[in-house]
Amino acid sequence: EPEVTQTPSHQVTQMGQEVILRCVPISNHLYFYWYRQILGQKVEFLVSFYNNEISEKSEIFDDQFSVERPDGSNFTLKIRSTKLEDSAMYFCASSEDSNTDTQYFGPGTRLTVL
Amino acid sequence: DQQVKQNSPSLSVQEGRISILNCDYTNSMFDYFLWYKKYPAEGPTFLISISSIKDKNEDGRFTVFLNKSAKHLSLHIVPSQPGDSAVYFCAATYDGGTGKLIFGQGTTLQVKP
Repeated sequence: EPEVTQTPSHQVTQMGQEVILRCVPISNHLYFYWYRQILGQKVEFLVSFYNNEISEKSEIFDDQFSVERPDGSNFTLKIRSTKLEDSAMYFCASSEDSNTDTQYFGPGTRLTVL
Repeated sequence: DQQVKQNSPSLSVQEGRISILNCDYTNSMFDYFLWYKKYPAEGPTFLISISSIKDKNEDGRFTVFLNKSAKHLSLHIVPSQPGDSAVYFCAATYDGGTGKLIFGQGTTLQVKP
Protein backbone atom coordinates (compact mmCIF):
# COMPACT_ATOMS: atom_id res chain seq x y z
CA GLU A 1 0.00 0.00 0.00
CA PRO A 2 1.43 3.44 -0.92
CA GLU A 3 2.55 5.54 2.01
CA VAL A 4 4.06 8.90 2.85
CA THR A 5 7.68 8.66 3.93
CA GLN A 6 9.75 11.18 5.87
CA THR A 7 13.45 11.59 6.55
CA PRO A 8 15.20 11.83 8.88
CA SER A 9 13.21 10.22 11.67
CA HIS A 10 15.08 12.30 14.23
CA GLN A 11 17.06 15.50 13.72
CA VAL A 12 19.06 17.20 16.44
CA THR A 13 20.34 20.68 15.74
CA GLN A 14 21.77 23.70 17.48
CA MET A 15 19.69 26.84 17.88
CA GLY A 16 20.20 29.14 14.92
CA GLN A 17 21.05 26.37 12.48
CA GLU A 18 19.11 25.59 9.34
CA VAL A 19 17.29 22.30 8.98
CA ILE A 20 15.57 20.66 6.04
CA LEU A 21 12.93 18.04 6.66
CA ARG A 22 12.14 15.78 3.74
CA CYS A 23 8.97 14.06 2.68
CA VAL A 24 8.00 11.83 -0.21
CA PRO A 25 4.22 12.05 -0.64
CA ILE A 26 2.13 9.33 -2.22
CA SER A 27 2.94 9.42 -5.92
CA ASN A 28 -0.39 10.39 -7.47
CA HIS A 29 -1.29 12.92 -4.79
CA LEU A 30 -1.52 16.60 -5.67
CA TYR A 31 -2.07 18.33 -2.30
CA PHE A 32 0.69 18.48 0.29
CA TYR A 33 0.78 19.62 3.87
CA TRP A 34 3.04 20.09 6.86
CA TYR A 35 1.80 19.84 10.44
CA ARG A 36 3.62 19.81 13.72
CA GLN A 37 2.93 18.51 17.21
CA ILE A 38 4.75 19.96 20.17
CA LEU A 39 5.04 17.40 22.95
CA GLY A 40 1.77 17.10 24.85
CA GLN A 41 -0.10 19.45 22.52
CA LYS A 42 -2.44 19.05 19.58
CA VAL A 43 -1.42 18.56 15.98
CA GLU A 44 -1.19 22.02 14.36
CA PHE A 45 -1.43 22.97 10.71
CA LEU A 46 1.59 24.75 9.26
CA VAL A 47 1.13 25.01 5.50
CA SER A 48 -0.72 23.61 2.51
CA PHE A 49 0.80 23.40 -0.97
CA TYR A 50 -0.83 22.80 -4.32
CA ASN A 51 0.21 23.37 -7.91
CA ASN A 52 3.69 24.40 -6.82
CA GLU A 53 2.60 27.16 -4.55
CA ILE A 54 1.48 27.73 -0.98
CA SER A 55 -2.29 27.75 -0.71
CA GLU A 56 -2.47 28.61 2.96
CA LYS A 57 -0.09 29.04 5.86
CA SER A 58 -0.65 29.43 9.57
CA GLU A 59 0.65 32.12 11.90
CA ILE A 60 3.35 29.69 12.98
CA PHE A 61 4.70 29.57 9.41
CA ASP A 62 6.69 32.81 9.55
CA ASP A 63 9.59 34.00 7.40
CA GLN A 64 11.89 31.38 8.94
CA PHE A 65 9.89 28.61 7.28
CA SER A 66 9.74 27.68 3.62
CA VAL A 67 8.51 24.75 1.57
CA GLU A 68 9.61 23.44 -1.76
CA ARG A 69 8.85 20.67 -4.19
CA PRO A 70 12.27 20.47 -5.86
CA ASP A 71 11.39 17.55 -8.11
CA GLY A 72 8.46 15.30 -8.90
CA SER A 73 8.67 13.32 -5.71
CA ASN A 74 10.10 15.27 -2.77
CA PHE A 75 8.41 17.89 -0.62
CA THR A 76 10.63 19.72 1.85
CA LEU A 77 10.20 21.97 4.85
CA LYS A 78 13.09 24.29 5.64
CA ILE A 79 13.56 26.16 8.89
CA ARG A 80 16.19 28.81 8.27
CA SER A 81 17.27 29.62 11.82
CA THR A 82 15.88 27.20 14.35
CA LYS A 83 14.64 28.26 17.77
CA LEU A 84 14.20 26.19 20.89
CA GLU A 85 10.43 26.37 20.47
CA ASP A 86 10.67 24.72 17.06
CA SER A 87 11.32 21.42 18.83
CA ALA A 88 8.40 19.20 17.84
CA MET A 89 7.26 16.28 15.70
CA TYR A 90 6.79 17.44 12.13
CA PHE A 91 4.34 15.50 9.99
CA CYS A 92 4.00 15.63 6.24
CA ALA A 93 0.66 14.68 4.68
CA SER A 94 -0.73 14.38 1.18
CA SER A 95 -4.12 13.96 -0.43
CA GLU A 96 -5.21 12.91 -3.87
CA ASP A 97 -7.16 15.40 -5.89
CA SER A 98 -9.37 17.52 -3.68
CA ASN A 99 -8.93 19.65 -0.62
CA THR A 100 -11.42 17.47 1.23
CA ASP A 101 -9.84 14.20 0.22
CA THR A 102 -8.44 12.13 3.03
CA GLN A 103 -4.97 13.24 4.08
CA TYR A 104 -2.43 10.50 4.65
CA PHE A 105 0.33 11.25 7.10
CA GLY A 106 3.94 10.25 7.21
CA PRO A 107 5.59 8.84 10.34
CA GLY A 108 7.02 12.21 11.30
CA THR A 109 10.42 13.75 11.99
CA ARG A 110 11.28 14.51 15.57
CA LEU A 111 13.18 17.82 15.60
CA THR A 112 15.17 18.64 18.71
CA VAL A 113 16.69 22.10 18.94
CA LEU A 114 19.38 22.50 21.59
CA ASP B 1 -8.79 29.32 19.50
CA GLN B 2 -10.13 25.84 20.09
CA GLN B 3 -12.41 25.28 17.14
CA VAL B 4 -12.32 21.51 17.66
CA LYS B 5 -12.50 20.12 21.16
CA GLN B 6 -12.14 16.68 22.61
CA ASN B 7 -13.03 17.18 26.24
CA SER B 8 -12.08 13.73 27.49
CA PRO B 9 -8.31 13.31 27.61
CA SER B 10 -8.63 9.59 28.31
CA LEU B 11 -11.03 6.68 28.18
CA SER B 12 -10.69 3.14 29.47
CA VAL B 13 -12.96 0.27 28.37
CA GLN B 14 -13.00 -3.50 28.61
CA GLU B 15 -12.25 -5.62 25.59
CA GLY B 16 -15.43 -6.45 23.71
CA ARG B 17 -17.36 -3.44 24.97
CA ILE B 18 -18.19 -0.26 23.09
CA SER B 19 -15.81 2.71 23.05
CA ILE B 20 -17.40 6.11 22.45
CA LEU B 21 -15.12 9.05 21.72
CA ASN B 22 -16.62 12.51 21.51
CA CYS B 23 -15.72 15.68 19.66
CA ASP B 24 -17.30 19.15 19.55
CA TYR B 25 -16.68 21.96 17.11
CA THR B 26 -17.56 25.62 17.01
CA ASN B 27 -16.99 26.69 13.41
CA SER B 28 -20.18 26.36 11.35
CA MET B 29 -18.14 26.36 8.15
CA PHE B 30 -16.75 22.91 8.88
CA ASP B 31 -18.42 20.37 6.66
CA TYR B 32 -16.05 17.44 6.59
CA PHE B 33 -14.82 15.56 9.62
CA LEU B 34 -12.23 12.87 10.11
CA TRP B 35 -11.00 10.58 12.85
CA TYR B 36 -7.35 9.61 13.06
CA LYS B 37 -5.66 7.09 15.31
CA LYS B 38 -2.10 7.66 16.48
CA TYR B 39 0.37 5.33 18.13
CA PRO B 40 3.46 6.74 19.89
CA ALA B 41 6.29 7.67 17.52
CA GLU B 42 4.04 7.22 14.47
CA GLY B 43 2.05 9.57 12.27
CA PRO B 44 -1.74 9.84 12.49
CA THR B 45 -3.51 7.01 10.64
CA PHE B 46 -6.82 7.75 8.95
CA LEU B 47 -9.77 5.81 10.36
CA ILE B 48 -13.05 7.13 9.08
CA SER B 49 -14.62 10.36 7.83
CA ILE B 50 -18.04 11.92 7.44
CA SER B 51 -19.42 14.69 5.30
CA SER B 52 -21.94 17.13 6.73
CA ILE B 53 -24.60 15.86 4.31
CA LYS B 54 -24.68 12.63 6.31
CA ASP B 55 -25.35 11.90 9.95
CA LYS B 56 -23.74 8.48 10.08
CA ASN B 57 -20.93 6.62 8.39
CA GLU B 58 -19.93 3.06 9.16
CA ASP B 59 -16.82 1.06 8.34
CA GLY B 60 -16.54 -2.32 10.01
CA ARG B 61 -16.21 -1.86 13.76
CA PHE B 62 -16.05 1.94 13.42
CA THR B 63 -19.06 4.23 13.15
CA VAL B 64 -19.02 8.00 13.18
CA PHE B 65 -22.14 9.98 14.06
CA LEU B 66 -22.59 13.65 13.26
CA ASN B 67 -25.10 15.94 14.96
CA LYS B 68 -24.87 19.21 13.07
CA SER B 69 -27.32 21.12 15.21
CA ALA B 70 -25.27 20.30 18.31
CA LYS B 71 -21.96 20.64 16.45
CA HIS B 72 -20.99 17.30 17.85
CA LEU B 73 -19.59 14.10 16.48
CA SER B 74 -18.71 10.80 18.02
CA LEU B 75 -16.75 7.71 17.09
CA HIS B 76 -18.07 4.35 18.18
CA ILE B 77 -15.85 1.29 18.21
CA VAL B 78 -17.66 -2.01 18.64
CA PRO B 79 -16.35 -4.38 19.81
CA SER B 80 -13.26 -2.73 21.26
CA GLN B 81 -10.01 -4.66 21.01
CA PRO B 82 -6.70 -4.20 22.88
CA GLY B 83 -5.06 -3.21 19.57
CA ASP B 84 -7.39 -0.20 19.47
CA SER B 85 -5.46 1.33 22.37
CA ALA B 86 -4.06 4.58 20.96
CA VAL B 87 -4.67 8.32 20.85
CA TYR B 88 -7.70 9.27 18.74
CA PHE B 89 -7.88 12.67 17.08
CA CYS B 90 -10.92 14.32 15.65
CA ALA B 91 -10.22 16.74 12.78
CA ALA B 92 -12.34 19.11 10.74
CA THR B 93 -12.09 20.99 7.49
CA TYR B 94 -14.39 22.63 4.96
CA ASP B 95 -15.04 22.36 1.27
CA GLY B 96 -13.72 25.31 -0.68
CA GLY B 97 -10.79 25.72 1.68
CA THR B 98 -7.21 24.63 1.26
CA GLY B 99 -7.59 21.30 3.04
CA LYS B 100 -6.22 22.60 6.32
CA LEU B 101 -7.22 20.19 9.08
CA ILE B 102 -8.05 21.55 12.51
CA PHE B 103 -7.38 18.91 15.14
CA GLY B 104 -8.78 18.32 18.58
CA GLN B 105 -6.49 17.64 21.51
CA GLY B 106 -6.91 13.89 21.28
CA THR B 107 -8.36 11.20 23.54
CA THR B 108 -6.19 8.35 24.77
CA LEU B 109 -8.15 5.11 24.58
CA GLN B 110 -7.08 2.14 26.62
CA VAL B 111 -8.79 -1.18 25.95
CA LYS B 112 -8.19 -3.64 28.73
CA PRO B 113 -8.10 -7.38 28.00
